[in-house]
Amino acid sequence: QKEVEQDPGPLSVPEGAIVSLNCTYSNSAFQYFMWYRQYSRKGPELLMYTYSSGNKEDGRFTAQVDKSSKYISLFIRDSQPSDSATYLCAMIEGAQKLVFGQGTRLTINP
Amino acid sequence: GAVVSQHPSWVICKSGTSVKIECRSLDFQATTMFWYRQFPKQSLMLMATSNEGSKATYEQGVEKDKFLINHASLTLSTLTVTSAHPEDSSFYICSASAGPHSGANVLTFGAGSRLTVL
Repeated sequence: QKEVEQDPGPLSVPEGAIVSLNCTYSNSAFQYFMWYRQYSRKGPELLMYTYSSGNKEDGRFTAQVDKSSKYISLFIRDSQPSDSATYLCAMIEGAQKLVFGQGTRLTINP
Repeated sequence: GAVVSQHPSWVICKSGTSVKIECRSLDFQATTMFWYRQFPKQSLMLMATSNEGSKATYEQGVEKDKFLINHASLTLSTLTVTSAHPEDSSFYICSASAGPHSGANVLTFGAGSRLTVL
């Protein structure tokens, strides 16, 4: 079993839709949870990071962590074609060593 | 914000040659940098942790004699793929931490270097 599981998609939705991206994990020692966005042939860029269970909002993006269920989500509201990318969840146990999910390829259709 | 620069962004080489990739932290000092490899449509896999002034720590299954890492200064780490072969063709990405953000050492990634070995 992988430490972090993420549905690779691809996921295709119409512009303006609400997008839900999810990851599950097995290691209860993970402390910090990140979402990265990666455009084709580019390095990942950090979107959001959270520590505790609950929601964190930044513009159209909301990150949600449920430590009891070992489940994290990223919601994108009013999705735009420019949001089309691969979204990677990542987690840290404590020593800066990130563990990534497989990444979900998202396409927003105009 | 913190910026990590990688060079070259794309390199093509012949089988058997060596290729060096540079990773620089432009506006901050990074005592630790990380090197990842990413195959098409797959996630990032950590190859090694590069520590300034000491030997790199390699992940299981990564050949340290093939992937030489040098972290000579607080702003520069290099990855040299020695005697490259076609199976080494991949997207190599480095990252560094600009320091703790609310307790988390959040990493900034470079844009990646695409290696194609003919």
